[in-house]
Amino acid sequence: EPEVTQTPSHQVTQMGQEVILRCVPISNHLYFYWYRQILGQKVEFLVSFYNNEISEKSEIFDDQFSVERPDGSNFTLKIRSTKLEDSAMYFCASSGWGGDSPLHFGNGTRLTVT
Amino acid sequence: SQQGEEDPQALSIQEGENATMNCSYKTSINNLQWYRQNSGRGLVHLILIRSNEREKHSGRLRVTLDTSKKSSSLLITASRAADTASYFCATASYYGGATNKLIFGTGTLLAVQP
Repeated sequence: EPEVTQTPSHQVTQMGQEVILRCVPISNHLYFYWYRQILGQKVEFLVSFYNNEISEKSEIFDDQFSVERPDGSNFTLKIRSTKLEDSAMYFCASSGWGGDSPLHFGNGTRLTVT
Repeated sequence: SQQGEEDPQALSIQEGENATMNCSYKTSINNLQWYRQNSGRGLVHLILIRSNEREKHSGRLRVTLDTSKKSSSLLITASRAADTASYFCATASYYGGATNKLIFGTGTLLAVQP
């Protein structure tokens, strides 16, 4: 069964550094998402992406965050200048057409900012 | 309180017993979905119920939806040790487009004792 893959599984970075989290969504999916989960807390929506542009973003997704689909297969999340509070598990997801299409999640990247 | 609150926060049962988790939400929705998360892993879609449906079954899962009370429940029958995981409800509200942005609840941690 096709799956969403994320790399790396764990990223450690120093405060103020830029990080890029990578995802390969399911190939025939049209919608792409980033969510994050701070340890022990709820899963929070960051951004959705469709037709090569952001379709919706949350208040968490400020100017420090950006997303890109550079080559038709990868989907990346960049954090320009990481803060301690960015430490979390970041999940990529993709879905097909239609509001009733379930999201397929990757196994996440654990980002630790020191 | 936030969209998608679940209770109980934690539930411990014996193998073979049934597990019931409840979810409440605040805004109108198009569908409600349940996901499972094993420790340190991504979320896996379990079942979706549309706003015009009242009950849905899938294997050992039964979901109910009461839009007048803005609540849903997930019943897992004949639980197994392998059902041990966190369970999240997630609501989808979309207008015109097909983006399936989900708002997740706080989750129920289910422990099934062998």
